[in-house]
Amino acid sequence: AQSVTQLDSQVPVFEEAPVELRCNYSSSVSVYLFWYVQYPNQGLQLLLKYLSGSTLVESINGFEAEFNKSQTSFHLRKPSVHISDTAEYFCAVSAPPQGGSEKLVFGKGTKLTVNP
Amino acid sequence: NAGVTQTPKFRILKIGQSMTLQCTQDMNHNYMYWYRQDPGMGLKLIYYSVGAGITDKGEVPNGYNVSRSTTEDFPLRLELAAPSQTSVYFCATKTRYLETQYFGPGTRLLVL
Repeated sequence: AQSVTQLDSQVPVFEEAPVELRCNYSSSVSVYLFWYVQYPNQGLQLLLKYLSGSTLVESINGFEAEFNKSQTSFHLRKPSVHISDTAEYFCAVSAPPQGGSEKLVFGKGTKLTVNP
Repeated sequence: NAGVTQTPKFRILKIGQSMTLQCTQDMNHNYMYWYRQDPGMGLKLIYYSVGAGITDKGEVPNGYNVSRSTTEDFPLRLELAAPSQTSVYFCATKTRYLETQYFGPGTRLLVL
């Protein structure tokens, strides 16, 4: 079975500052990793994902995450945040179909608040 | 395409009442999921389905039932509502071969 730990429940930052949202996972099989974002009063949207290949993955709005197998981490970073990045961010893990089920396991979420 | 739609958006139930949360998708996705989201707890999987006629329990199935008679619809039934079922419920879908799940806008349920 897989599990996900998001180390920070809330992260306040100032606009244009860098941010890192931390995510660690545990699994006995190889995994797929995801970051989803939830803006206020909305459903979740995929931000980025790691399935295989390059360990550094990027989103279209400037976020990036690096898969680190040895540290079982998938931290999310952005070099300069905007007010519009204020949202809750969820790290999630699933096992490839041949390795297990096709269910997502979510972390508890990190609320990012960007202040002017 | 509407994607994933959920109805109602908000509902207040009294303890012991029952209701059905509707989820409909027009993307022809095989897989459908029901999650509940509680503050500070992330999302927990209630039930899921890999195709019409096939459903299975997730992490927190007690107090809920599902059915999947068509590809498009995956209703979630609450029998004998309890205050512990106060939550925001999300439906999600995905195809068999791609890993991204697509979420609906959610149903906020309050049980008093």
